[in-house]
Order: sequence, then structure tokens, then C-alpha cells
Amino acid sequence: DAKTTQPPSMDCAEGRAANLPCNHSTISGNEYVYWYRQIHSQGPQYIIHGLKNNETNEMASLIITEDRKSSTLILPHATLRDTAVYYCIVRVVPNYGGSQGNLIFGKGTKLSVKP
Amino acid sequence: DTEVTQTPKHLVMGMTNKKSLKCEQHMGHRAMYWYKQKAKKPPELMFVYSYEKLSINESVPSRFSPECPNSSLLNLHLHALQPEDSALYLCASSQDGTGTTGELFFGEGSRLTVL
Repeated sequence: DAKTTQPPSMDCAEGRAANLPCNHSTISGNEYVYWYRQIHSQGPQYIIHGLKNNETNEMASLIITEDRKSSTLILPHATLRDTAVYYCIVRVVPNYGGSQGNLIFGKGTKLSVKP
Repeated sequence: DTEVTQTPKHLVMGMTNKKSLKCEQHMGHRAMYWYKQKAKKPPELMFVYSYEKLSINESVPSRFSPECPNSSLLNLHLHALQPEDSALYLCASSQDGTGTTGELFFGEGSRLTVL
């Protein structure tokens, strides 16, 4: 079973920040938080991941609470092309030759960016 | 080259047919994955290969037979499928080893219809 809980859907106005929450209250100390998104009829796309510090890249920012039980993905200026299903996943980063930490998807949040 | 290429993009087959789905990557990744995705559902993990050896089989029926002939190629052989096996089949790859990000790169998928 997926270890995360996300709202099933959210709306966001174009140009505004989209803040997508995720609860992962049973996360273990060696598990990372990953975010992927899937635009309709395409394969999932990696966005960002983090362990306990906040992270930022060219796509998004990831804010992880101090107790690591929840996180928020922030798309700073949402565009229509950001309309997608966003998946929050916790997993162990695999070690050499390891089969651990496989990506198990939950139900995700369907984000609709509206003009 | 950061692509995972899947062929064919679309496949229609009868229940008595034998067909194969193919996946290729040239990123030097040593872990490769098959996922199955039904409409409006999240991707479900089927198989994981690590260093060309099958490391995970998520209790997939034997009518699905994976093969990893070398580190760049992953096949999924299909035989005696049922209409309920109709779905989008996603291939992914990742680096393996300590210190890697654990990011999975997904292909665009092969959409299978079983008549």
C-alpha cells in the first residue's frame, strides 16, 4: 500500500503558486520524499526529492516539515502545462545492486491550472 | 540521451496471440522496471531488473514474461492475455548504487488492447 495521503484534486489559477500537500506520517528515517507528475497520456516525470531539508530546482520547491510527517510541493508560477496528476512517494534510495526502494505510486492529486 | 524508448506505442492483440513490448535506454542505467497502468489509476509495479537479473516480481501472472537480454534492453513477452490486461504499460530505468538520486526515467508507454 502507498504510504502517502494526498487530496484527490486541486485547482490553481494560471500564474499563481500551486501548493500541493502530502501526508506521510509513517515515514522512516531512511526514506526520501519523491514527487512525480503525469501529464495525460504521458509517462510519469520526476520533479524533485528530499530527505529532511527543503529543496529547490528549476521546476519546483519541496518543503518538508521538521518532523518529516508531511511535505508540500510548490510550483511557484503555475502554467496551463502544469495540469497533471502529481504523485508524492516515499522510498528508500537503492544501494548498490539493491532491489529496495522501488517506486510505489499512490492515487495522487489531479491539479487543474485554469486561465 | 535521457530517453527511455518504448515500442510499439499501440498494440492490439487477440487472446491467442503472442506479442512483445520492447524498451530501450542508453543512459547506462542498471535497473529497469515494468509498470502497468489502467485508466484513471496510478501505475502499478510489475517487475524490476537489477543488473540484468530479475529482482522483483509483484505476483504477476505467468502470461506476462519479462526478459532483460542486456543492460540497455527490456522486453515484456505477452501470451494468452485477457481483455482485462488492456492497459498502458510503462517502462522505466534508473541508476543503481549508493549516492545516486534514485530518479526513475519513464518511457511514454505502450498502450495495449486485448480483444
